[in-house]
Amino acid sequence: GENVEQHPSTLSVQEGDSAVIKCTYSDSASNYFPWYKQELGKRPQLIIDIRSNVGEKKDQRIAVTLNKTAKHFSLHITETQPEDSAVYFCAAIPNQAGTALIFGKGTTLSVSS
Amino acid sequence: KAGVTQTPRYLIKTRGQQVTLSCSPISGHRSVSWYQQTPGQGLQFLFEYFSETQRNKGNFPGRFSGRQFSNSRSEMNVSTLELGDSALYLCASSFQGEGEKLFFGSGTQLSVL
Repeated sequence: GENVEQHPSTLSVQEGDSAVIKCTYSDSASNYFPWYKQELGKRPQLIIDIRSNVGEKKDQRIAVTLNKTAKHFSLHITETQPEDSAVYFCAAIPNQAGTALIFGKGTTLSVSS
Repeated sequence: KAGVTQTPRYLIKTRGQQVTLSCSPISGHRSVSWYQQTPGQGLQFLFEYFSETQRNKGNFPGRFSGRQFSNSRSEMNVSTLELGDSALYLCASSFQGEGEKLFFGSGTQLSVL
């Protein structure tokens, strides 16, 4: 089955710096890769997603890149702000697996001002 | 539109008991999936229901079960509770459930003593 590895587990940056979180997946059949943000005590919320037929997607300060050959994808946050502090989860889902997301273990991002 | 509603918010049970958790999806959403969140294992997929049928199942023992009703509301049941079942149980809904954004509920925090 699918396995998703996520690094680093913790990341501390200064406000205004960039942050990069990397994930690798094992199942080449996976075709959907979402990123969820979970603030302390709150529910996970989708921040960006990418499908296997796209190499890069951007939404304001957030971007995701996908390398299907190497089976890894990354989240890039530019001009970080204190409100970006949260736990970020990457996930992958094999084709026709409904909503059976396989999540990485999460990255705790701390942005200090 | 109301979000995903989970009840109860907190539960305390003792080993050997059973528990039922409830989830009401966003109106119009037909897919409901359940995830277990723990500090050590992160977010793990339990099962997904679509139009009252279990469409996918994660690697959890048979003590974990669920169902979906004709109005898309879902319940999950855990029988013969173990200490290791203590976790935040999150429900998520989506329209079709295939590679779509998931909307999570606030979760039910289950403590097994």
